Amino acid sequence: QSVLTQPPSVSGAPGQRVTISCTGSSSNIGAGYEVQWYQQLPGTAPKVLIYGNSNRPSGVPDRFSGSKSGTSASLAITGLQAEDEADYYCQSYDSSLSGSVFGGGTKLTVL
Amino acid sequence: EVQLVESGGGLAQPGRSLRLSCVASGFIFDDHAMHWVRQAPGKGLEWVSGISWNSGNIGYVDSVKGRFTISRDNAKNSLYLQMNSLRPEDTAFYYCARGSLAAVQFNWFDPWGQGILVTVSS
Repeated sequence: QSVLTQPPSVSGAPGQRVTISCTGSSSNIGAGYEVQWYQQLPGTAPKVLIYGNSNRPSGVPDRFSGSKSGTSASLAITGLQAEDEADYYCQSYDSSLSGSVFGGGTKLTVL
Repeated sequence: EVQLVESGGGLAQPGRSLRLSCVASGFIFDDHAMHWVRQAPGKGLEWVSGISWNSGNIGYVDSVKGRFTISRDNAKNSLYLQMNSLRPEDTAFYYCARGSLAAVQFNWFDPWGQGILVTVSS
């Protein structure tokens, strides 16, 4: 069971908007630690999509956006494309565990 | 180009040892903390261990404490993970990842190596 909780799966049609939630606690997201989001395409290593709650590395389309409030964070993807079909993970720091923690991952299916 | 290349994986019997290596290139290695993250086949990501730029601060997930040892050689741009007393539940792809900061805490991970498979089975 992961420290950060994500829905196992989400889906949407091309062009639609989907959101993926990440729920933590007072020892991680709620403590003010930043949240990152990673995309893992099938058979490849994860790649950072969002860092510092809402910042996009260069090269990441602005269709991807992140937000954080209280003990939760969200990743929004607008204008869904077939190439967005992947697993998405949130990540933060946990002071009780003294280490980084990940969500269980969410599989995005583009219908 | 920033690159991380892992090696040293393979099949090990329960209770035996393996040593993973990760060679970095394309960036100033000792400006960054380094981490190991693993992923059991078909499962999610799990942070395993991290080491600060000067090896002064090290962290482990509880499940590997006392069995795994992380280390780095800045002169060789290399990161290591010594894995002892291996268990079947340690079976996973192990990724080397660059930390966003020199300190080991509060990092995000970019980039990641291609990953290397460790299989623990009799």
